[in-house]
Amino acid sequence: SYVLTQPPSVSLAPGKTATITCAGDNIGSKSVHWYQQRPGQAPLLVIYYDTERPSGIPERFSGSNSGSTATLAISRVEAGDEADYYCQVWDSRSDHVVFGGGTKLTVL
Amino acid sequence: EVQLLESGGGLVQPGGSLRLSCAASGFIFSSYAMNWVRQAPGKGLEWVSGISDSGGSTYYAVSVKGRFTVSRDNANKTLYLQMNSLTAEDTAVYYCAKGPAAAVGNNWFDPWGQGTLVTVSS
Repeated sequence: SYVLTQPPSVSLAPGKTATITCAGDNIGSKSVHWYQQRPGQAPLLVIYYDTERPSGIPERFSGSNSGSTATLAISRVEAGDEADYYCQVWDSRSDHVVFGGGTKLTVL
Repeated sequence: EVQLLESGGGLVQPGGSLRLSCAASGFIFSSYAMNWVRQAPGKGLEWVSGISDSGGSTYYAVSVKGRFTVSRDNANKTLYLQMNSLTAEDTAVYYCAKGPAAAVGNNWFDPWGQGTLVTVSS
């Protein structure tokens, strides 16, 4: 089965740029979607189709995808960005949705 | 405004059954694929099942295949998840989520419902 690997945690100071990676075999050939989940809340879509932002998501959120790694970048990080972030793809070989294990973003 | 409201969660004994519902509003329900995603306490997201707009195509995670059944009532704008032979490993918050198109494949999920908690315990 297809596996997506994310770092368990990322920590940085306010105002810096956070980069959260999502590694998978030839993930660049797939469409990657990203979700933010704040404590006690349902997940929220922040990036779809690798780079697209839904309406209402700040421009500080951006995505990229190439080779074996997809990346979510959050510029000018602020306390409100503290959350768990998950990447997700569709595995056409198994007809399954696959989520990464999640990355906890901490703003110091 | 698109809204999804899950219900039907609760405490059930191992081996028991439960049916979850997800009431949809604010969009043409019959035109979109729908999915169920769960999250065990303190754990990450796990996709459970997806169903196409008409209900003609269904998909299941390996962990639930043969025990869970997804269905939909387009006339009443409701998504269902019938869960049988439940075990402690099925304990989780279950979310329903809307796909962007009629088919399940290559979907992203937006929005999600608030979730309903299923606890399997004796």
